[in-house]
Amino acid sequence: EDQVTQSPEALRLQEGESSSLNCSYTVSGLRGLFWYRQDPGKGPEFLFTLYSAGEEKEKERLKATLTKKESFLHITAPKPEDSATYLCAVQAIREYGNKLVFGAGTILRVKS
Amino acid sequence: KAGVTQTPRYLIKTRGQQVTLSCSPISGHRSVSWYQQTPGQGLQFLFEYFSETQRNKGNFPGRFSGRQFSNSRSEMNVSTLELGDSALYLCASSFLGQGRNTGELFFGEGSRLTVL
Repeated sequence: EDQVTQSPEALRLQEGESSSLNCSYTVSGLRGLFWYRQDPGKGPEFLFTLYSAGEEKEKERLKATLTKKESFLHITAPKPEDSATYLCAVQAIREYGNKLVFGAGTILRVKS
Repeated sequence: KAGVTQTPRYLIKTRGQQVTLSCSPISGHRSVSWYQQTPGQGLQFLFEYFSETQRNKGNFPGRFSGRQFSNSRSEMNVSTLELGDSALYLCASSFLGQGRNTGELFFGEGSRLTVL
């Protein structure tokens, strides 16, 4: 069974304090690993797709990396507007379409 | 362009009733997926429709069903509601064209169902 575990469950940072969120996954053949951001009362918003170990993607203060067992979302010099729940999801290679398995998420709070 | 629209946004039902939720995808998107989000289980895949055909199904009982219309709009139905069905139901659309699926889903804001 495909599984995604995210840590920590919650993270509080001061503005400008860089950190990383972890996503460990177990899947029989990875088609893709995805990061989403979810604000309270909203649906998740797509951030990145990573396909193979060693791949990296960047967007503003966020950088996602991928190994064979886990992914990291690095947040550099975060701002209060980066506060949100960050979700990691995987899709197995045997799946097609949009059947994703999500982790429980990391709740990030950035204080000014 | 307009995003994914879900209706109703909030609804309250009692046990044993049924409910129908609606989703209008982004124009041109042919794939519509449904997810259930709860504090305890997180986001769980319900099913996906593509060109009016269900092409993926999650591990939910038969009380959960859906359909897609020729204009790509989708509905999901939950019959014989149980307390545990209280959740945020999210619809997501994507355009599946040629080549690699990017996994970029566009989610609506969800329909929050409360079962009393």
